[in-house]
Amino acid sequence: DAGITQSPRYKITETGRQVTLMCHQTWSHSYMFWYRQDLGHGLRLIYYSAAADITDKGEVPDGYVVSRSKTENFPLTLESATRSQTSVYFCASRDQTSEQFFGPGTRLTVL
Amino acid sequence: AQSVTQPDIHITVSEGASLELRCNYSYGATPYLFWYVQSPGQGLQLLLKYFSGDTLVQGIKGFEAEFKRSQSSFNLRKPSVHWSDAAEYFCAVGAGAGGTSYGKLTFGQGTILTVHP
Repeated sequence: DAGITQSPRYKITETGRQVTLMCHQTWSHSYMFWYRQDLGHGLRLIYYSAAADITDKGEVPDGYVVSRSKTENFPLTLESATRSQTSVYFCASRDQTSEQFFGPGTRLTVL
Repeated sequence: AQSVTQPDIHITVSEGASLELRCNYSYGATPYLFWYVQSPGQGLQLLLKYFSGDTLVQGIKGFEAEFKRSQSSFNLRKPSVHWSDAAEYFCAVGAGAGGTSYGKLTFGQGTILTVHP
């Protein structure tokens, strides 16, 4: 199916564990983004990528790592999860008109 | 730095009433402006966008927005609200394609819309 998908949709983990959230898009968009959504903060940009092997920090990058070895995939890794990283995470890709298309989100709980 | 302010955290309207959601932005150049809607437990769906040209933009689901440069505003309107419009609405500002901005979007904090029957 065409579009942007995220997995898992729900994840519960413990403090200190490594967690990887997956994002896959089928449009071959060059630009991809990771946001977190928290009550009272709207969506905040964690990392973004302009193309394979090109990534850069957003507004709240601490505690996160990204990679982009293929255009269609943009995984987000929490190297050592903390309770403050409990959130809903959204992946997005951008077309040439600057419109961003969002995935369904991953709800992450860190205990 | 770009920023977006949505002054109303929560708005309640009756079904059939008109609606206006406010959005004020700060941006150094001509902005690209967007309104997204998010239903509970769902991702964000684009309602409409403004890049250039006519300052009154029509979107999906009967929504429209007007870009007012002098007021740095991009308010969302709907003449008659339906119960299915209950959701959270986000205004966003970003740069165009190209350059070093990567088309990053900055979102407002969102406005929750409740619709009474």
